[in-house]
Amino acid sequence: AQKVTQAQTEISVVEKEDVTLDCVYETRDTTYYLFWYKQPPSGELVFLIRRNSFDEQNEISGRYSWNFQKSTSSFNFTITASQVVDSAVYFCALSEDNYGGSQGNLIFGKGTKLSVKP
Amino acid sequence: GAVVSQHPSWVICKSGTSVKIECRSLDFQATTMFWYRQFPKQSLMLMATSNEGSKATYEQGVEKDKFLINHASLTLSTLTVTSAHPEDSSFYICSAREPRIAGGIGETQYFGPGTRLLVL
Repeated sequence: AQKVTQAQTEISVVEKEDVTLDCVYETRDTTYYLFWYKQPPSGELVFLIRRNSFDEQNEISGRYSWNFQKSTSSFNFTITASQVVDSAVYFCALSEDNYGGSQGNLIFGKGTKLSVKP
Repeated sequence: GAVVSQHPSWVICKSGTSVKIECRSLDFQATTMFWYRQFPKQSLMLMATSNEGSKATYEQGVEKDKFLINHASLTLSTLTVTSAHPEDSSFYICSAREPRIAGGIGETQYFGPGTRLLVL
């Protein structure tokens, strides 16, 4: 069965602090995809990153970085030098590959609400 | 990233009326779109998968006759909440999945800005 766990319900940090959002997933498939989305107070989900299961290379994009470790089934997200604009709910999601067809549906974690205070 | 629009962003209606929400992929053709519902402080709940040119696939517990989905073109899917009641008040979000490129790997869902529905 597929499952995504974001154990941190809420995190509060002060601006310029680094913060890591945890994501642990469960899947029986060998080919799958992991995603992070940001949902600011306006409500729109903003795509941040997609990771394929066969690519464990970590990625950095500006202040954002992602650590994918298959050995622990984790796909953690770190924001360096956080800013007030980073305040949002962040969702981790998983989808499996339907061989010969399209990708499976997204399975979302419950989200982590990040509050960055000035 | 790709852009998905959703209209309207806000709807307030009386109980018993029907409400139509449109979801458009603006810069790519989406054979598959999705409709989600989100309650306050909760995660997204998939309601149905909308397939262009065929019937939508509904998740367990979602009433097909209550939530009508039409995917008439590769860039437009609509969700109609029929005979809306106060318990249908929620935040509805659509997404469009980018097409898989031959030899490509995986697809990404891009989300619309959402529609807040309030049924009085």
